[in-house]
Amino acid sequence: QSVLTQPPSASGTPGQRVTISCSGSSSNIGSNTVNWYQQLPGTAPKLLIYSNDQRPSGVPDRFSGSKSGTSASLAISGLQSEDEAEYYCATWGDSLNVIFGGGTKLTVL
Amino acid sequence: EVQLVQSGAEAKKPGESLKISCQGSGYSFTSHWIAWVRQMPGKGLEWMGIIYPGDSDTRYSPSFRGQVTISADKSINTAYLQWSSLKASDTAMYFCARQTSMIDSSFDYWGQGTLVTVSS
Repeated sequence: QSVLTQPPSASGTPGQRVTISCSGSSSNIGSNTVNWYQQLPGTAPKLLIYSNDQRPSGVPDRFSGSKSGTSASLAISGLQSEDEAEYYCATWGDSLNVIFGGGTKLTVL
Repeated sequence: EVQLVQSGAEAKKPGESLKISCQGSGYSFTSHWIAWVRQMPGKGLEWMGIIYPGDSDTRYSPSFRGQVTISADKSINTAYLQWSSLKASDTAMYFCARQTSMIDSSFDYWGQGTLVTVSS
């Protein structure tokens, strides 16, 4: 059980907008930036969003991140079949370590 | 082009030792932290610890301190993760990743992963 809570699953149809939440506490998300990762089946994770809301070069602007207080969200607009993957949030924890959310499996219906 | 290339899959028996590697290229290896991340079968990501190859400064997650050793050889741009006595519960995929700073959770480049299987 991770200290960062994500819904285990999410789904949407092509073209829809979906949001994945990540809930923490004042000692982790509340005090540090949040990053998001996309892990396609059988591959290494890929940095999707850093510093709460920044996109690395090459990440489509369909992906956006936000943070408010002790929670963060990843939004995917114009959902595509290739977005079907596991998504993880991450932040720095109060035990001087990186903590990941439990992951959200996104299904494109 | 920044690349992290990990050593190949390993099949070991309980009690055996193991050292897996992660070689960086395309950037200044000594100037960036390298993290190790575990992913057990069907499970999520767990941060194990980091090393700064420039001076071998190493930090461990409380969950992994004493269970593994992280090291680096800057002369060959390679970081290592090792076990002295493997357990079946060490069966997992292990990723190395470049961590952008010591107290951040941003990993901008990842290795392809090394699958470690421990079974009698």
